[in-house]
Amino acid sequence: EEQLVESGGVVVQPGGSLRLSCAASGFTFDDYTMHWVRQAPGKGLEWVSLITWDDGRTYYADSVKGRFTISRDNSENSLYLQMSILRTEDTALYYCAKDEWHGMMTVWGQGTMVTVSS
Amino acid sequence: DIVMTQTPLSSLVTLGQPASISCRSSQSLVHSDGNTFLSWLQQRPGQPPRLLIYKVSNRFSGVPDRFSGSGAGTDFTLQISRVEAEDVGVYYCMQATQFPHTFGQGTKLEIK
Repeated sequence: EEQLVESGGVVVQPGGSLRLSCAASGFTFDDYTMHWVRQAPGKGLEWVSLITWDDGRTYYADSVKGRFTISRDNSENSLYLQMSILRTEDTALYYCAKDEWHGMMTVWGQGTMVTVSS
Repeated sequence: DIVMTQTPLSSLVTLGQPASISCRSSQSLVHSDGNTFLSWLQQRPGQPPRLLIYKVSNRFSGVPDRFSGSGAGTDFTLQISRVEAEDVGVYYCMQATQFPHTFGQGTKLEIK
């Protein structure tokens, strides 16, 4: 069974840093582009970032560009999101998702909650 | 950035009746390769999103055939032919034609 499990979400102060992880299993991780998508409490979905499967190109939402860095370790079947200069508006449930082809997000994790608060 | 606008934002539907959700993009979603990367996702209460439709009208594996997608260019529609109780949740359109990818605001579907 294809599965994604996110971890690393905690309560952090504004201006702080955090690294989220997403562990993949049940599929050949190296073959797939991966996304991070977030959802603020009671709000809709917001696309955050993507990393391609082949050459590791990265893309970001304007709201996180310059503060967040997506990366992957294919040997560990893991996806990461390094978050820095965190703001209260970054408070959200962060999901990782597998991209079957061009934005087709076929597998989602259960999410990990990040709360930015003093 | 491409803005995705969904209507209505909420819908109250009787069991067994049809439902329709519209999604309009601020720019054409036709990619340079000729494809249109518009997806529909469902999020049931307390659950992660789930892919329903990709590339405008293709149902993902395991999605009931009462769900269908249509549209072109900037105007797209998700239709549910006969709403069932398990369809309660929020529905999102999403474009992946251009970076950054963007979602619609979501449409909450409730049963009357």
